[in-house]
Amino acid sequence: NAGVTQTPKFQVLKTGQSMTLQCAQDMNHEYMSWYRQDPGMGLRLIHYSVGAGITDQGEVPNGYNVSRSTTEDFPLRLLSAAPSQTSVYFCASSPDGGGVGNQPQHFGDGTRLSIL
Amino acid sequence: TQLLEQSPQFLSIQEGENLTVYCNSSSVFSSLQWYRQEPGEGPVLLVTVVTGGEVKKLKRLTFQFGDARKDSSLHITAAQPGDTGLYLCAGGYNFNKFYFGSGTKLNVKP
Repeated sequence: NAGVTQTPKFQVLKTGQSMTLQCAQDMNHEYMSWYRQDPGMGLRLIHYSVGAGITDQGEVPNGYNVSRSTTEDFPLRLLSAAPSQTSVYFCASSPDGGGVGNQPQHFGDGTRLSIL
Repeated sequence: TQLLEQSPQFLSIQEGENLTVYCNSSSVFSSLQWYRQEPGEGPVLLVTVVTGGEVKKLKRLTFQFGDARKDSSLHITAAQPGDTGLYLCAGGYNFNKFYFGSGTKLNVKP
């Protein structure tokens, strides 16, 4: 059972570079989301999607883009990496969003990203 | 400013002691979830509470949702080293967003 798969697990970038963090789930979940986790800050929502073709911003969306062309995949793009984006990034999926059905979110194991 | 405030931030106790972790907000949540996270892994759900005043028990863990659905607590009885980890609360808000607290890092010493 794969669940939520994130790639890569580790990445080092230089300031100004762009890259895409991949996230795939095999549970046919409609809701997917991206978080970043920084020391002492918990997880902060970057972007989320309630289904294919639908995305919306979370708490900290600046500097990131997302798209949802299929139910399974929800990639996160860093357009021009900055040192402030050094963090651990988690992708999660759920049958539905936070207020409907109260379903648990299933998390991947994270991507550790360093921006030099 | 975080929507959900957790306290304490850090807790180091001896095996066998009891502890309580708090999750507070000025906002009303449709649901409140507690997760546990171990180093190098994503958070894993422990429990979801939905109704104000609800109490749920999971072996030695007791979860409570405040009457006004703005706060929650996690109580662990007779803590064990295997309980060590980062405990996170998350509020379901505005139907499509989860907001996480900053976490409580628990260390249970043998």
